[in-house]
Amino acid sequence: DAGVIQSPRHEVTEMGQEVTLRCKPISGHNSLFWYRQTMMRGLELLIYFNNNVPIDDSGMPEDRFSAKMPNASFSTLKIQPSEPRDSAVYFCASSLNRGGFVGETQYFGPGTRLLVL
Amino acid sequence: TQLLEQSPQFLSIQEGENLTVYCNSSSVFSSLQWYRQEPGEGPVLLVTVVTGGEVKKLKRLTFQFGDARKDSSLHITAAQPGDTGLYLCAGNNYGQNFVFGPGTRLSVLP
Repeated sequence: DAGVIQSPRHEVTEMGQEVTLRCKPISGHNSLFWYRQTMMRGLELLIYFNNNVPIDDSGMPEDRFSAKMPNASFSTLKIQPSEPRDSAVYFCASSLNRGGFVGETQYFGPGTRLLVL
Repeated sequence: TQLLEQSPQFLSIQEGENLTVYCNSSSVFSSLQWYRQEPGEGPVLLVTVVTGGEVKKLKRLTFQFGDARKDSSLHITAAQPGDTGLYLCAGNNYGQNFVFGPGTRLSVLP
């Protein structure tokens, strides 16, 4: 079975450019998470969706970041305009939310390594 | 805001040694998870603990959830180089939103 798929795996861009990161969750999963990981700040939740609806976007740094989930099998995270401080590894994860009180297992993709020059 | 602290931040040991890493918070969690992340990859779930005082074993790894559900520990017996990685704990409070700790970076030398 395919896991979470992210593209691109690596992205190098110049400050001011638009960056779009893509994620395909595991088929059948109904929750999708976007994280950012840096050495300084660790793994930070940016936004998560449940049944394609954004539930909590309080972790989105600022208006330059936006995320969409047009259907159950695809999500994008866009940064416009990008800045050097956005350089990080961005992870997408998905899970099957069965409505219980126990957090479900999150399956992480391999990440997109973003470098903004 | 619920915060998780992990200690130690870094740990380097010889193959065959035992070790314990800790995950602490001032908040109560309904469940807590431990993940291991290897270089260049995403985190992979090791275990979920739910009940205060719960102990779970996964081969040479032993996980314990504190009685008050505010802390957890991970003990590795006879560490192997394959155990090398970043160990992350993540707390959940009756929802789908997890808070991750900063991690313990473990290096097991052959």
